[in-house]
Amino acid sequence: ILNVEQSPQSLHVQEGDSTNFTCSFPSSNFYALHWYRWETAKSPEALFVMTLNGDEKKKGRISATLNTKEGYSYLYIKGSQPEDSATYLCAPRSNDYKLSFGAGTTVTVRA
Amino acid sequence: EAGVAQSPRYKIIEKRQSVAFWCNPISGHATLYWYQQILGQGPKLLIQFQNNGVVDDSQLPKDRFSAERLKGVDSTLKIQPAKLEDSAVYLCASSLAGTAPGTQYFGPGTRLLVL
Repeated sequence: ILNVEQSPQSLHVQEGDSTNFTCSFPSSNFYALHWYRWETAKSPEALFVMTLNGDEKKKGRISATLNTKEGYSYLYIKGSQPEDSATYLCAPRSNDYKLSFGAGTTVTVRA
Repeated sequence: EAGVAQSPRYKIIEKRQSVAFWCNPISGHATLYWYQQILGQGPKLLIQFQNNGVVDDSQLPKDRFSAERLKGVDSTLKIQPAKLEDSAVYLCASSLAGTAPGTQYFGPGTRLLVL
């Protein structure tokens, strides 16, 4: 089990504004990093799987970067919309293929 | 393609009672996982099945929790007897294989409240 830290724990953003938050994890024994979005009363939804240092992934207005050498990933939301309100979970996968989840960053987009 | 199904969605019980959760994974997914997510924490793996065999149950409190996947498809997770600290969301997930960086697909979870 890896020690995964996500910050901030929660944030509020005005509709139309952009925001970003961080996932930190041990850089040793790194295999891959998963990002999930979990909306209230729904299933956690897979956003990205990232494996290489310097990876950048994009899905619509959401993008993520990965730094495996220093052990962190950023997730960015550009032009936030109310439907972006959710908890964003990061989960690094170590060489034994096990996932360790952070506690998440809860994003609330205010109209 | 149908997603991972779980039932019930919500359950309220008193401490020392028993409870069972059911999960139906995505068709063809050999690997099934049960996670426990306590409020304010990330999901924690309780047990992983590969077909109907247990791959990892190192974090399953075996004195009160049990899980089975008899035919390599559906799975049930049972708590007997429940404690207050078992209040959590229980997530089921499935993937094509457990030994590759495959994405895990989650169900909506069962929210358990133990009074």
